[in-house]
Amino acid sequence: GAGVSQSPSNKVTEKGKDVELRCDPISGHTALYWYRQRLGQGLEFLIYFQGNSAPDKSGLPSDRFSAERTGESVSTLTIQRTQQEDSAVYLCASSDFPGTVNEKLFFGSGTQLSVL
Amino acid sequence: AQSVTQLGSHVSVSEGALVLLRCNYSSSVPPYLFWYVQYPNQGLQLLLKYTTGATLVKGINGFEAEFKKSETSFHLTKPSAHMSDAAEYFCAVTPRGSQGNLIFGKGTKLSVKP
Repeated sequence: GAGVSQSPSNKVTEKGKDVELRCDPISGHTALYWYRQRLGQGLEFLIYFQGNSAPDKSGLPSDRFSAERTGESVSTLTIQRTQQEDSAVYLCASSDFPGTVNEKLFFGSGTQLSVL
Repeated sequence: AQSVTQLGSHVSVSEGALVLLRCNYSSSVPPYLFWYVQYPNQGLQLLLKYTTGATLVKGINGFEAEFKKSETSFHLTKPSAHMSDAAEYFCAVTPRGSQGNLIFGKGTKLSVKP
């Protein structure tokens, strides 16, 4: 597609349930990022994938959060046993020329997660 | 460690007036600095970025920002606001070399009055 695609756009779930969020990056982009944006807050880095390298998981807030990416394609962010504080917009971004001055991130429209 | 402070969660200007969105950062190493914009119901888009070289950076839609090391600032300006500029603007910083750990400010929502 022309841009980064995220699904679903909205997800309402009950506390304690697991959720899975999907990101389709721009074709050919080797780098993929997940961010979280809580209401009234800036974007919070979660995880970064670059090619076949081990992902940078330093931003994951707890072991309930995990993410996978197959090759340079789709990524899924999984939140197990959701809590109300997980409610946020989850943003995915992909980029070309990672780690260089020419790198540019392209963001998806996000998934609004609401945990009741 | 890096951090970003955006002064003012909401800024309102009249159409044709100067836009000034403030951003101050702290960084233990020379930073790369960015402004992103999020229009309603759209994903974030890069407006402009400073990496090295000229400290006045021009971006899309007539926006520009100046890196002032002495003031640790990277304020965003536009001489004349347009209705279509209404959006949320985010300042971000990262250590040189990677955008992988972009640290974002909390954002400033810009409203433009006719």
